[in-house]
Amino acid sequence: NAGVTQTPKFRVLKTGQSMTLLCAQDMNHEYMYWYRQDPGMGLRLIHYSVGEGTTAKGEVPDGYNVSRLKKQNFLLGLESAAPSQTSVYFCASSLSGVGYEQYFGPGTRLTVT
Amino acid sequence: RKEVEQDPGPFNVPEGATVAFNCTYSNSASQSFFWYRQDCRKEPKLLMSVYSSGNEDGRFTAQLNRASQYISLLIRDSKLSDSATYLCVAMNRDDKIIFGKGTRLHILP
Repeated sequence: NAGVTQTPKFRVLKTGQSMTLLCAQDMNHEYMYWYRQDPGMGLRLIHYSVGEGTTAKGEVPDGYNVSRLKKQNFLLGLESAAPSQTSVYFCASSLSGVGYEQYFGPGTRLTVT
Repeated sequence: RKEVEQDPGPFNVPEGATVAFNCTYSNSASQSFFWYRQDCRKEPKLLMSVYSSGNEDGRFTAQLNRASQYISLLIRDSKLSDSATYLCVAMNRDDKIIFGKGTRLHILP
């Protein structure tokens, strides 16, 4: 039981490049989330999904897209990376919504130069 | 007013002491609350849920005060391994989740 895994762990991008971050969970959770964490800003929700085939915007969705084609996977895409997207990205999953614990992946450290 | 506010600290506390910190929330529709612990350069991990009746787990006690809109975390007999950042979280029925920015705790030997 691996829990929540994220790939890659580290990445350096040049401005304007694109990439996809992959999150996978093996706990059969319905909800999945993408957060970014910046110094002094705490964790901020980018997008989330309440089930396979659904996505919704969080607090800071601009510049990101997501897809949840399979229940166990939640992809975060950056179409044209900007230095402001330099951050640590965490994926999380939970069995359901309000009242349920979130389990986090180990994070992806992304630097955009 | 920010939706979830925490004193960023750091709280520097000698080993064995008791330490407490609060987290205030502004949205009265918030329904569930949690404390997470985050070690440096690691992912957040659930410390405990916060119930209306309070919640105790070993040396840790969490309480919710709906009237004043804050949750608290009390750590008794603190250990060196308790050094971390403690994040509070508020969630409401609309799947809105807000994390506080965290309170840094340093336990001193």
